[in-house]
Amino acid sequence: DTGVSQDPRHKITKRGQNVTFRCDPISEHNRLYWYRQTLGQGPEFLTYFQNEAQLEKSRLLSDRFSAERPKGSFSTLEIQRTEQGDSAMYLCASSLAKGGQPRFGPGTRLTVL
Amino acid sequence: GIQVEQSPPDLILQEGANSTLRCNFSDSVNNLQWFHQNPWGQLINLFYIPSGTKQNGRLSATTVATERYSLLYISSSQTTDSGVYFCAVEWPPGGNKLVFGAGTILRVKS
Repeated sequence: DTGVSQDPRHKITKRGQNVTFRCDPISEHNRLYWYRQTLGQGPEFLTYFQNEAQLEKSRLLSDRFSAERPKGSFSTLEIQRTEQGDSAMYLCASSLAKGGQPRFGPGTRLTVL
Repeated sequence: GIQVEQSPPDLILQEGANSTLRCNFSDSVNNLQWFHQNPWGQLINLFYIPSGTKQNGRLSATTVATERYSLLYISSSQTTDSGVYFCAVEWPPGGNKLVFGAGTILRVKS
């Protein structure tokens, strides 16, 4: 169990640019989640996958955001035309099955200038 | 949706002191978890505690589901306990996402 990994750990970009983050879950976990955390707040749910199927999306996930998990293993989160309000920590988590405790990755901190 | 409120919002302790953190939630839940977020942002699972009491070393937690609150106890605090403590509930019950409180920022001074 090497834990959940995320790449990059930090990303600084200019407003209007596109960014993509990667999450590698714990290998035997079939569920994968994305959360966003802004300064001084708890994480907020964005979306989750069971295997390769995206089963739920929060209304926080505007049409500039897209997430994929093409082979049911790693996942990517892309933000198009970034805005300053997108600056946040993006957290990925994975779990074994419904009701399994999610394990969180170290996060990707995004700064939009 | 459900409301999750944590208190106090921040806390400063002298090393060796004890503390109690509280989490109130506005509806019945099947799943409540406590997490510690270290200064580098990593969320660490502390307890899965939908009801009852659990202990792990210097930390223990109690959830009274019928009264919709949970408590996290930290005894003999150490500087490494510093960080943010979050409680989170699964919402809706049996659903697939966690709703987090705003956290309690703990700083332990040596």
